[in-house]
Amino acid sequence: DAKTTQPPSMDCAEGRAANLPCNHSTISGNEYVYWYRQIHSQGPQYIIHGLKNNETNEMASLIITEDRKSSTLILPHATLRDTAVYYCIVRVGNNNDMRFGAGTRLTVKP
Amino acid sequence: NAGVTQTPKFQVLKTGQSMTLQCAQDMNHNSMYWYRQDPGMGLRLIYYSASEGTTDKGEVPNGYNVSRLNKREFSLRLESAAPSQTSVYFCASSPDRGRSDTQYFGPGTRLTVL
Repeated sequence: DAKTTQPPSMDCAEGRAANLPCNHSTISGNEYVYWYRQIHSQGPQYIIHGLKNNETNEMASLIITEDRKSSTLILPHATLRDTAVYYCIVRVGNNNDMRFGAGTRLTVKP
Repeated sequence: NAGVTQTPKFQVLKTGQSMTLQCAQDMNHNSMYWYRQDPGMGLRLIYYSASEGTTDKGEVPNGYNVSRLNKREFSLRLESAAPSQTSVYFCASSPDRGRSDTQYFGPGTRLTVL
């Protein structure tokens, strides 16, 4: 089972910030939080990952709560091309497997 | 760089037929992976190879075999295809199989077993 919980769907207006939440209440101290997205059945695309501190790259920002039990992916200025399924992943087991849940389907509307 | 490439893009098989899905990466990555994705669901790990010459089972290995031919190539074989194996298959690679390790995915192979 995936160790994360995400809302099944969200809408966002084009040009506005999209804030995608994720709960990972059983995360261990040395487990990273990863975000990937999948656009229209293409291969998943890496977005960002973090351990404790907030992270930012050219695609998004990742805000992790101090207790690390939840995080938020922020797309600062969503475009129509950001419409996709977004997966929040915490690696599990001794082999650090990536367990993909159902993700959040983000729809960016004009 | 092409990244991760997969062949074929589409395939239709009859029950009991066999086939091999091919995957190659040109990023000099050590680790490679095979996932399947059923409609409306997330990806599930079938097999992975942490380094050249090694392979290990993932979450759903039954009905599949893999070969890490060299550092670049990782193939997935269905010996006797079943309708339950109808799915989209994704190959991925990563520099190393650690806790802070990003995977790069190919475009997928869409397989239908009749």
